[in-house]
Amino acid sequence: DTGVSQNPRHKITKRGQNVTFRCDPISEHNRLYWYRQTLGQGPEFLTYFQNEAQLEKSRLLSDRFSAERPKGSFSTLEIQRTEQGDSAMYLCASSHWTGDAQETQYFGPGTRLLVL
Amino acid sequence: SQQGEEDPQALSIQEGENATMNCSYKTSINNLQWYRQNSGRGLVHLILIRSNEREKHSGRLRVTLDTSKKSSSLLITASRAADTASYFCATDLLSGTYKYIFGTGTRLKVLA
Repeated sequence: DTGVSQNPRHKITKRGQNVTFRCDPISEHNRLYWYRQTLGQGPEFLTYFQNEAQLEKSRLLSDRFSAERPKGSFSTLEIQRTEQGDSAMYLCASSHWTGDAQETQYFGPGTRLLVL
Repeated sequence: SQQGEEDPQALSIQEGENATMNCSYKTSINNLQWYRQNSGRGLVHLILIRSNEREKHSGRLRVTLDTSKKSSSLLITASRAADTASYFCATDLLSGTYKYIFGTGTRLKVLA
């Protein structure tokens, strides 16, 4: 078990560019979550998948954001036409959900995005 | 707005002392979890307490949950410098959307 991994760990981009982040969950975890965290705040939920199905998206997730989990394993989060307000840490988490409403999420190290 | 709010926002103690931080939330929950985050890094799960539990222990950690007051506390006993981190509570809503809502965090500093 290598834990949740995220790539890249850091990304600096210019306003208006597109960026894509990748998350590899713990193998056989069926749920995968994306969060955004800004300095001094707790993580804010963005979206989550159960297997390949995207079950919920936050209102924070504007139409510039899209997430996929095509084969129910790794996931990508793309931000189009980045804005300076998108600068944040993007965290991925995975869990093994069995339906008993007791679910521990395991977090990756995050991708820190800076939009200039 | 955030579901949970931790109190205090910041706490500074000497090594060996106990640290207590509190979390209040707004709506009924299934579970409440506590996480630790070292500076600029990912979150580490510490403990989960179900809504029908009142107290739980894990090593030097003790968590209580009072659903009537919609609050939880995390006690770290005999603190160490390595406990320096931000601590977050996260709640999943009884309405069953299965997403966790995080609080604003308590920044704990343990002085050696």
